[in-house]
Amino acid sequence: DIVMTQTPSSQAVSAGEKVTMSCKSSQSLLYSENKKNYLAWYQQKPGQSPKLLISWASTRESGVPDRFIGSGSGTDFTLTISSVQAEDLAVYYCEQYYDTPLTFGSGTKLEIK
Amino acid sequence: EVQLVESGGGLVQPGRSLKLSCLASGFTFSNYGMNWIRQAPGKGLEWVASISSSSSYIYYADTVKGRFTISRDNAKNTLYLQMTSLRSEDTALYYCARSYPGISGFFDYWGQGVMVTVSS
Repeated sequence: DIVMTQTPSSQAVSAGEKVTMSCKSSQSLLYSENKKNYLAWYQQKPGQSPKLLISWASTRESGVPDRFIGSGSGTDFTLTISSVQAEDLAVYYCEQYYDTPLTFGSGTKLEIK
Repeated sequence: EVQLVESGGGLVQPGRSLKLSCLASGFTFSNYGMNWIRQAPGKGLEWVASISSSSSYIYYADTVKGRFTISRDNAKNTLYLQMTSLRSEDTALYYCARSYPGISGFFDYWGQGVMVTVSS
């Protein structure tokens, strides 16, 4: 199974600050035939269902603010929020869809100071 | 508008069975792979099972293999999860989610979830 490791488990930032969170996979998520990374990021706000933010490691979903930036390749990935807003309070999960079983990281909880 | 509405949850005793349903609307259900994902109280997300658009391919997490069965009825736009031999560790909020681009894709739409509590 591909193990997804997210760090940190939580972090607190002030509104307007930049935040980065990491997701590392135990094997490469880069598929050689199409050069795509099979990595997605989700946002789960308190009491809500998860919402897809980014697919293919860096493709932002329609309607997702451009302050959310996905980057990385192979086994190391990053979600950056360029200027955190109060409404970004949530847990952020990465997920690999390179192979079954599909696996999630344990999440990074973002708190707003 | 894509909508996924789960139902069928509740309180069930260990060892008993329960069947969840997910009614889909707002898209051509028969064109998409579908999934069940669960979240134990206060915990992270765990993929449970996937089924391809025509039911030709089905995958399960090892934690539920042999106990849970995923199925779908494309004529009724409905996804199912038959759960048997339930254990306390199956207690969770169960989400129905659509896959893109295929059966083993990312989850682009999620339902609101249905709670399953396994307890005596």
